Amino acid sequence: QKEVEQDPGPLSVPEGAIVSLNCTYSNSAFQYFMWYRQYSRKGPELLMYTYSSGNKEDGRFTAQVDKSSKYISLFIRDSQPSDSATYLCAMLANSGGSNYKLTFGKGTLLTVNP
Amino acid sequence: DGGITQSPKYLFRKEGQNVTLSCEQNLNHDAMYWYRQDPGQGLRLIYYSQIVNDFQKGDIAEGYSVSREKKESFPLTVTSAQKNPTAFYLCASSNHRGDQPQHFGDGTRLSIL
Repeated sequence: QKEVEQDPGPLSVPEGAIVSLNCTYSNSAFQYFMWYRQYSRKGPELLMYTYSSGNKEDGRFTAQVDKSSKYISLFIRDSQPSDSATYLCAMLANSGGSNYKLTFGKGTLLTVNP
Repeated sequence: DGGITQSPKYLFRKEGQNVTLSCEQNLNHDAMYWYRQDPGQGLRLIYYSQIVNDFQKGDIAEGYSVSREKKESFPLTVTSAQKNPTAFYLCASSNHRGDQPQHFGDGTRLSIL
């Protein structure tokens, strides 16, 4: 079983839809959870960063973490064509001493159609 | 504006040639990373460095080399030993421990001629 599983999609939705993106993980040592957005031919940019279980909201984006189920989600409300990108989940775990390692999901390709 | 600059944006390699990808950051971060991104494979860690003059192999270091002579710079050399170098290469940086989110450059696309 891979440490982080993410459905690659592609996911296609109409403009204005609510989008739900998900990742599951197997390593209980993951402590910090992130969502990155990556446009074509660009580097990933950080969207959301959370530590604890529960919800974190930022504008149209909500990140949800359920540590008991080892499941994280990103919700996008009122989706726009400019949200069309690949969304990567990422998780940090202590890799020994005071150092941490970042593990990425493979990314979900989202297209929002006008 | 603080950020990470990767150059060139596109690079072509001939058989038997070594090529070097540049990565510069002005975020005052101690740690820097190199990833390779292939379609359907996600990001895979090649090398990382937490401090000047020190670096560690990641998950797929074979055929690659790095140096860290300055805090701001972490160049990656793709050697002729890397038989499948065609990929999108991403440089990132973070705090020393790596327990903060990594910030990424806009990548270099390397192709074989």
